[in-house]
Amino acid sequence: NAGVTQTPKFRVLKTGQSMTLLCAQDMNHEYMYWYRQDPGMGLRLIHYSVGEGTTAKGEVPDGYNVSRLKKQNFLLGLESAAPSQTSVYFCASSYFAGGNNEQFFGPGTRLTVL
Amino acid sequence: AQSVTQLDSQVPVFEEAPVELRCNYSSSVSVYLFWYVQYPNQGLQLLLKYLSGSTLVKGINGFEAEFNKSQTSFHLRKPSVHISDTAEYFCAVSDRLGTSGTYKYIFGTGTRLKVLA
Repeated sequence: NAGVTQTPKFRVLKTGQSMTLLCAQDMNHEYMYWYRQDPGMGLRLIHYSVGEGTTAKGEVPDGYNVSRLKKQNFLLGLESAAPSQTSVYFCASSYFAGGNNEQFFGPGTRLTVL
Repeated sequence: AQSVTQLDSQVPVFEEAPVELRCNYSSSVSVYLFWYVQYPNQGLQLLLKYLSGSTLVKGINGFEAEFNKSQTSFHLRKPSVHISDTAEYFCAVSDRLGTSGTYKYIFGTGTRLKVLA
C-alpha cells in the first residue's frame, strides 16, 4: 500500500496563478484533511472532508477551495495564489473521526509563491 | 478550544545522552495526546499516543511519554539518542470540530532535536 500520496512534491507559482494539489489515499479512509505548515506555527487545518462529496472549513480556509469527488482523492485548489500561501502543505486521512483516531500523513508539497 | 505549547524550539543533545522534549496542553474534560516525528523532507509519522489507561506510553524507536493530568503535560523522553533521531517533533491534542463528531489535531509549534556526534 502506498498510504497517502501527494502531487506535486514541489511547485513555484507567480502571484495570481492558480493550481491544484492532489492527495490520494489507498486505505479506504472516510476522513481527509489538508494542513499547512509554516515555520514556528506548527500545522494548521485548512479544510477537511468527512466523506465522498462533503467538505468543510478548518481554521485557515481563506484563499483555498477543496473537492472530494472520489473517496480516495482530496483536492486542494488555489484560485489566485498569493505570497502568503507560500508554505508546505500536508494531506492526512483517518478511518474514524473520533479524537482517539490516528491520522496518516502524506509527504507534503512545498509551494512557493513569488 | 484546546491548545498545545512546546516551549523548546530547538534541543541540541549529544549522541547516547538522554533527552526530554516538553509538551503542555490546555486542560479539558477528556484528552487524547499524540507525538509525531518529521524527518527532513518527509511527512509526519506517529511516534506514540495517549488515549487512556497507563500514564506511561511507549512508542516506536525507543521513545516514551508520560501523561501528567495535574500538570497538563505530555513530555517525550528517550534514554539514549542516536544521530538518526535528528528530526522535528510535534505534540498534538485532538479537538472537536464545532458540534460535529469530527476531530482535528491541534499541533504545537514543534521542537527541532539535533543529535550531535
